[in-house]
Amino acid sequence: SQQGEEDPQALSIQEGENATMNCSYKTSINNLQWYRQNSGRGLVHLILIRSNEREKHSGRLRVTLDTSKKSSSLLITASRAADTASYFCATGRGGSNYKLTFGKGTLLTVNP
Amino acid sequence: DAGVIQSPRHEVTEMGQEVTLRCKPISGHDYLFWYRQTMMRGLELLIYFNNNVPIDDSGMPEDRFSAKMPNASFSTLKIQPSEPRDSAVYFCASSSVDKNQPQHFGDGTRLSIL
Repeated sequence: SQQGEEDPQALSIQEGENATMNCSYKTSINNLQWYRQNSGRGLVHLILIRSNEREKHSGRLRVTLDTSKKSSSLLITASRAADTASYFCATGRGGSNYKLTFGKGTLLTVNP
Repeated sequence: DAGVIQSPRHEVTEMGQEVTLRCKPISGHDYLFWYRQTMMRGLELLIYFNNNVPIDDSGMPEDRFSAKMPNASFSTLKIQPSEPRDSAVYFCASSSVDKNQPQHFGDGTRLSIL
């Protein structure tokens, strides 16, 4: 599997529900980043978690990082229709934070 | 801040033609990245620059692809000659020197080679 691989590939929920997306990676990292991409637009940075952090919050977003399992999760609470987008995790390759590797993403659909 | 600006937003051209994609990074950012996104391969890093100097072009698929950054506020990605398999969305992104800062993406150029 690729560095920065998300699952599930697609997730459909009702407005107000929580959405959880997972990301696994292979090599050591300095940080892991989550991005959102709306249809036809570029990626927008959501949150960055450093390797020495275990959990981070930003508004309705909560990110966890487990370096022993080489995995991260993104939780969106109280989802809204506007949260409908693809979500990607990204990690630096070979210790480099500039050469980001993105997974294929999770397509989240929030139904009103 | 205007963000990363890419042009054109859409490009449709015939196989064999030269294609030039343009990018204006965020002012003050030292790093500039070119990515390609396809359904099959996802988002791939093609090349990145630091202070206008190409640092790693190992993602450039073939010699038909070239990228330049003549100054801190402008970069181009050129494909010559273009082929149908080059059809994709090409993104430019920029970031500051702090490696814990995110990359800021433009809205991309959707390229279709007929």
